[in-house]
Amino acid sequence: DAGITQSPRHKVTETGTPVTLRCHQTENHRYMYWYRQDPGHGLRLIHYSYGVKDTDKGEVSDGYSVSRSKTEDFLLTLESATSSQTSVYFCAITQDRTYTGELFFGEGSRLTVL
Amino acid sequence: EDKVVQSPLSLVVHEGDTVTLNCSYEVTNFRSLLWYKQEKKAPTFLFMLTSSGIEKKSGRLSSILDKKELFSILNITATQTGDSAVYLCAVDWGGSEKLVFGKGTKLTVNP
Repeated sequence: DAGITQSPRHKVTETGTPVTLRCHQTENHRYMYWYRQDPGHGLRLIHYSYGVKDTDKGEVSDGYSVSRSKTEDFLLTLESATSSQTSVYFCAITQDRTYTGELFFGEGSRLTVL
Repeated sequence: EDKVVQSPLSLVVHEGDTVTLNCSYEVTNFRSLLWYKQEKKAPTFLFMLTSSGIEKKSGRLSSILDKKELFSILNITATQTGDSAVYLCAVDWGGSEKLVFGKGTKLTVNP
């Protein structure tokens, strides 16, 4: 058990509203990631973090922002949700202090934007 | 642009069959290739490959990497219905600490 929890697990919202997804880990891991998964696209990286206040963009970062003010929490924010952001969002961590590429994923958050 | 291509995108077999899943890649500064299995929820790690020609094995699953031809295969022998899942290939390139995933192969094993 990698000790990752995502919240909320399911959310339905309307276009134009702000949404924040939370990823919480309990074991002080350095690297945290947000991915989205859509049919026909596989897993695509949105943003990632390599430490408190250290974040970087992934391949599909437009329309998303992140924050990591403490080690255990990595927040993904959609400032103004659009229907194209309907997706399943996965948080992931690496368990080693040094990056190895082996990721452990949370259970996912299903977001529907109407 | 770096990319990872998996084939086939979907595959339907009968229990007991052997399957081979393919992953080819084009990335700069290759560091490793990883395989994940995704059933109903989160992907789970299967293998990490860093060297050519060295087979990784776990039960009925095995995988090998060819760094010259830039591909990897995942073999599953004597398939079972529990092997039904999406198998994801990802490449770790040395540019930064992140993975590039392929679109996955959906494997369905029928009784």
